[in-house]
Amino acid sequence: DAGVTQSPTHLIKTRGQQVTLRCSPKSGHDTVSWYQQALGQGPQFIFQYYEEEERQRGNFPDRFSGHQFPNYSSELNVNALLLGDSALYLCASSRQARSYGYTFGSGTRLTVV
Amino acid sequence: AQTVTQSQPEMSVQEAETVTLSCTYDTSESDYYLFWYKQPPSRQMILVIRQEAYKQQNATENRFSVNFQKAAKSFSLKISDSQLGDAAMYFCAYRKNYGGSQGNLIFGKGTKLSVKP
Repeated sequence: DAGVTQSPTHLIKTRGQQVTLRCSPKSGHDTVSWYQQALGQGPQFIFQYYEEEERQRGNFPDRFSGHQFPNYSSELNVNALLLGDSALYLCASSRQARSYGYTFGSGTRLTVV
Repeated sequence: AQTVTQSQPEMSVQEAETVTLSCTYDTSESDYYLFWYKQPPSRQMILVIRQEAYKQQNATENRFSVNFQKAAKSFSLKISDSQLGDAAMYFCAYRKNYGGSQGNLIFGKGTKLSVKP
């Protein structure tokens, strides 16, 4: 039973560019949440997707957008990259009907230069 | 707004000894969950233990147990018989119970635990 898969593992981008990160949820999970973890900090919630719609959003600018596909996989897009966007991006999947049981991926390390 | 505070940036424990990691939180809600997550160098967040706020009994999972003080809004993690594999970042997290898995986790800044052989 595969867990949460994120790709790519590492990524280096230039300021001003755009990036797309991908997440495949754990089998049986229908909800995907994205978190940003800056170095030395705890993860911060970006947004959550369920039934291909953004259900909840944290305090992140519109440069951060996402998408969920019919197979429950998800993408996180960041436009006009800033140096401050350098972080570990974590994807967590869950079942909407359950109150707990988040499974996290190993993240994508994004470096903006 | 809800907040989670971990006041110990780093902790160290001798192998086979016991260590307690502290966490306090602030919320006006009465129905919520509290979690401890472990993040090893592999970066994946691994759930260590979970506590439902409406349960008075402290959660335990093998060598891991919590001291949940709802009135004091305190949620500490005790690791008994520490093992080298316990070395990692530990994050305390809060989530309001909306029903289902709606709602986001709010994390503290983490405590780095070192285990000495």
